[in-house]
Amino acid sequence: GAVVSQHPSRVICKSGTSVKIECRSLDFQATTMFWYRQFPKQSLMLMATSNEGSKATYEQGVEKDKFLINHASLTLSTLTVTSAHPEDSSFYICSAHNPRGLSSYNEQFFGPGTRLTVL
Amino acid sequence: GQSLEQPSEVTAVEGAIVQINCTYQTSGFYGLSWYQQHDGGAPTFLSYNALDGLEETGRFSSFLSRSDSYGYLLLQELQMKDSASYFCAGSTDSWGKLQFGAGTQVVVTP
Repeated sequence: GAVVSQHPSRVICKSGTSVKIECRSLDFQATTMFWYRQFPKQSLMLMATSNEGSKATYEQGVEKDKFLINHASLTLSTLTVTSAHPEDSSFYICSAHNPRGLSSYNEQFFGPGTRLTVL
Repeated sequence: GQSLEQPSEVTAVEGAIVQINCTYQTSGFYGLSWYQQHDGGAPTFLSYNALDGLEETGRFSSFLSRSDSYGYLLLQELQMKDSASYFCAGSTDSWGKLQFGAGTQVVVTP
């Protein structure tokens, strides 16, 4: 299947700093990527839809000025957590939809996730 | 929006069969997906139903009834490695946007 990578896999930062997380589709082009946040023992909560060449679409309750998303190319989307606080500590996961995939029509491929800890 | 409900935990022994039900309420629905997630890992795709009926993939099968707003994932011949969280997820558009259920923790015992 298609491969999606994320970098870094783990990051620890001080409160007030900004952290950038990269999501790459390695063997296919993704015009649309999605960013999720997952707290321990909870479900994946969709934060935003990242669209190549246009502004991201944020879910209700997600601050667009705090979680900056840039989808500069067909294989790269970045999520920047600005002025991070301890409550932003979470597991951030991206996914990409491969519309040309031979597998199931709606299969999404998830990155391995980034565990963010804000001290 | 969408809401999807599934049981929080299921425990079964090796070799058994487990069915995880998922009911959904939605204002827009394209299909139902199932994902497996091991602790600390990323979700991996298991199955997708766009139409009513049963989809079989090896030991895993998934079923959808649009008229009942209901689906299930069937895990057969359970193995220890199947211990994980299983999420149903509803598709809300044709670009793959997913809304996840709360997840079902499956615990397989010897």
